[in-house]
Amino acid sequence: DVKVTQSSRYLVKRTGEKVFLECVQDMDHENMFWYRQDPGLGLRLIYFSYDVKMKEKGDIPEGYSVSREKKERFSLILESASTNQTSMYLCASSLLTSGQLYEQYFGPGTRLTVT
Amino acid sequence: GNSVTQMEGPVTLSEEAFLTINCTYTATGYPSLFWYVQYPGEGLQLLLKATKADDKGSNKGFEATYRKETTSFHLEKGSVQVSDSAVYFCALSRTDKLIFGTGTRLQVFP
Repeated sequence: DVKVTQSSRYLVKRTGEKVFLECVQDMDHENMFWYRQDPGLGLRLIYFSYDVKMKEKGDIPEGYSVSREKKERFSLILESASTNQTSMYLCASSLLTSGQLYEQYFGPGTRLTVT
Repeated sequence: GNSVTQMEGPVTLSEEAFLTINCTYTATGYPSLFWYVQYPGEGLQLLLKATKADDKGSNKGFEATYRKETTSFHLEKGSVQVSDSAVYFCALSRTDKLIFGTGTRLQVFP
């Protein structure tokens, strides 16, 4: 079974803190993704990566950065957390395919609260 | 642009009732279409998919047919169970990424 794990299920941070969210997948997938999930807005893509040291901005990258030093690990960084970044963060991975993208495998999510 | 529109929830049903969750899409080209499910406290998991027009995806009693003429991919189940209570997301592929709808919460009562 594919497994995507996230470092924390719940996290509480203060405004202005630097926050690291870690994601690890065990299936040697090339693609990795970070989403945030908010009520009424569904899932919105923050950043994604096709390979080690590669990253691409998604639809809402402002206020975030990412790091992919190893194939299995993809980190989301909030340089200076703000209250509007309180959300559920979901990591996903998938195989690299030419043409259509197929299944993405999701982690359980990290619920981040910024106070 | 590419987008997905789902019916708003929550959808509240009694056990063994028939379920329909509507999903329509706007896309250039011919995307693949997906339904994902999120059970309480968990991440999303793929429920079913269809990769071309008139394909029917099915899994765990759920079905959805890729209708190009109506740009729809409605999710159906003939008899829901309490264990089907979850949030359901419709999604389409955009080359190398997925675009999700806002999700529809389903609540099934015994």
